[in-house]
Amino acid sequence: AQKITQTQPGMFVQEKEAVTLDCTYDTSDPSYGLFWYKQPSSGEMIFLIYQGSYDQQNATEGRYSLNFQKARKSANLVISASQLGDSAMYFCAMSPQTGANNLFFGTGTRLTVIP
Amino acid sequence: DVKVTQSSRYLVKRTGEKVFLECVQDMDHENMFWYRQDPGLGLRLIYFSYDVKMKEKGDIPEGYSVSREKKERFSLILESASTNQTSMYLCATTTGGSGNTEAFFGQGTRLTVV
Repeated sequence: AQKITQTQPGMFVQEKEAVTLDCTYDTSDPSYGLFWYKQPSSGEMIFLIYQGSYDQQNATEGRYSLNFQKARKSANLVISASQLGDSAMYFCAMSPQTGANNLFFGTGTRLTVIP
Repeated sequence: DVKVTQSSRYLVKRTGEKVFLECVQDMDHENMFWYRQDPGLGLRLIYFSYDVKMKEKGDIPEGYSVSREKKERFSLILESASTNQTSMYLCATTTGGSGNTEAFFGQGTRLTVV
């Protein structure tokens, strides 16, 4: 069975500092994708970054990078140079890339950026 | 511009009513999902569908059913709404197989059952 674990219900970071949001996963599927989403108070789900399980390099998208450690089954999100607009809920998710492609989410981390 | 549209942003229904939540996508995606989101619990999967007329139970299917008669439309049905089904409901779609690199979401439906 697949499972996503986010152990940090809430995090605080000073503006312009970097922050790491933790995510671990459990799966028996040989091929899978890992995702991070941002959900501001408006409720929309904003896609941030994707990492494939066979990708050799860690994914990066602007200020977002995914620290993928396959042996440890972790996929932490690193946000560099935090901005006030980064304050939101952040969800880690995983999808097998074989079979029915279900999409599993963690419980989320609420990030607050302090001016 | 890709689009996933949920029929209502806010909905108030009475206990015992039959409730339909509609989700329509214009991306020709195979997979469609219904989640409910509650504080502290994240997104929990209710049902998903990987093809027309196909459906699979997620983690919390009790009290819900779904319908997918056309590829672009996935409906969530609350047969007899109860107050514990008050929640935010999110629809999502993904393409299938190894091309599954992003899930697209609707804007969400905040359902209140009174």
